[in-house]
Amino acid sequence: SAVISQKPSRDICQRGTSLTIQCQVDSQVTMMFWYRQQPGQSLTLIATANQGSEATYESGFVIDKFPISRPNLTFSTLTVSNLSPEDSSIYLCSVGQVTYEQYFGPGTRLTVT
Amino acid sequence: DQQVKQNSPSLSVQEGRISILNCDYTNSMFDYFLWYKKYPAEGPTFLISISSIKDKNEDGRFTVFLNKSAKHLSLHIVPSQPGDSAVYFCAAGRGGKLIFGQGTELSVKP
Repeated sequence: SAVISQKPSRDICQRGTSLTIQCQVDSQVTMMFWYRQQPGQSLTLIATANQGSEATYESGFVIDKFPISRPNLTFSTLTVSNLSPEDSSIYLCSVGQVTYEQYFGPGTRLTVT
Repeated sequence: DQQVKQNSPSLSVQEGRISILNCDYTNSMFDYFLWYKKYPAEGPTFLISISSIKDKNEDGRFTVFLNKSAKHLSLHIVPSQPGDSAVYFCAAGRGGKLIFGQGTELSVKP
């Protein structure tokens, strides 16, 4: 399985600002995903990060709010824009394989004040 | 619409006994099912999976059962150990994507 790191591990941000989360993988992977876990809730897929093209967003998530970059096969960033308290969550990146097994980073805990 | 449900938010089991975690789904088009374990301040860790064409998969102390007619899967942990205490998520896959249940917090008492 791949080793995945995320930066920052946690942050406290003021409303109206933005936070960019980095995800680094120790090997080249085709599929990378970004998830959100709101307090007490399940993991919800935000988007699939595609290398060399725009990300594919799930229903309820839009590029203006969650812009994603994927410049190569080992790195991706997720920006959460125009922050509000409702964006307080854990954000996780994962990498996928053909058999649906996904391996997750440690997550970024965001608190918006 | 919650396509994957874990109706028990918590479960407490004595060390050495069996832990049974349950998961229900609504979409018969899911073609893969997985279980993840999550410790606080860590990302979910893949545990075990099962294809929709099978009804059982075993890996050491962990066994996953799939009942397609009932749209139900379960994870059995035998014997349970205190280190198994964590939140367990079931997930269902379709079209390369995963949909997760809400999680069940397992507590294994020594």
